[in-house]
Amino acid sequence: RKEVEQDPGPFNVPEGATVAFNCTYSNSASQSFFWYRQDCRKEPKLLMSVYSSGNEDGRFTAQLNRASQYISLLIRDSKLSDSATYLCVVTLNNAGNMLTFGGGTRLMVKP
Amino acid sequence: DAGVIQSPRHEVTEMGQEVTLRCKPISGHNSLFWYRQTMMRGLELLIYFNNNVPIDDSGMPEDRFSAKMPNASFSTLKIQPSEPRDSAVYFCASSLLAGPYGYTFGSGTRLTVV
Repeated sequence: RKEVEQDPGPFNVPEGATVAFNCTYSNSASQSFFWYRQDCRKEPKLLMSVYSSGNEDGRFTAQLNRASQYISLLIRDSKLSDSATYLCVVTLNNAGNMLTFGGGTRLMVKP
Repeated sequence: DAGVIQSPRHEVTEMGQEVTLRCKPISGHNSLFWYRQTMMRGLELLIYFNNNVPIDDSGMPEDRFSAKMPNASFSTLKIQPSEPRDSAVYFCASSLLAGPYGYTFGSGTRLTVV
């Protein structure tokens, strides 16, 4: 079983739609959680951190459920520019700074 | 800040040749990571350094791969001899040791071994 699992997609949605991605992780000791975004043929870039209480950044909302070892990302009012691959990322502890990446979920927003 | 700089951007080489990938981390960052990305396996951590010292190389596929960090501003990943299955995008990333924040990737080196 992979340490971080994501539905690879692709998710094809129209502009303006709301879309949600899910991610599960296997190591209950994981302590830090992130979503990264990777555009085609580009490097991954940090989108947002995920906090236990849930957090929002504009149209993006991240949630964490430690009991279920489950992370989610919700994108509201999706834009064409949101088309990318979204990577779920976990670390074992805040000091270790080793990131483990999920396989990514591909999102395609259509006009 | 120039970010993490990798070279070359693209490399095409013949099977059996030696390949050297280069990385310059962000100044002041004291952790450096080498990742490999393929369609089949996604992003895989190969090796990482803290303060120029290799900490975990368990992700290095085999003895054909080696990595060095002779100083805080430079690292190399070498493949010798190269094989077609090594074809992938190789990313270097750097961060501050204290915490997983400020984890910045370079633009990657796209390696094709024919």
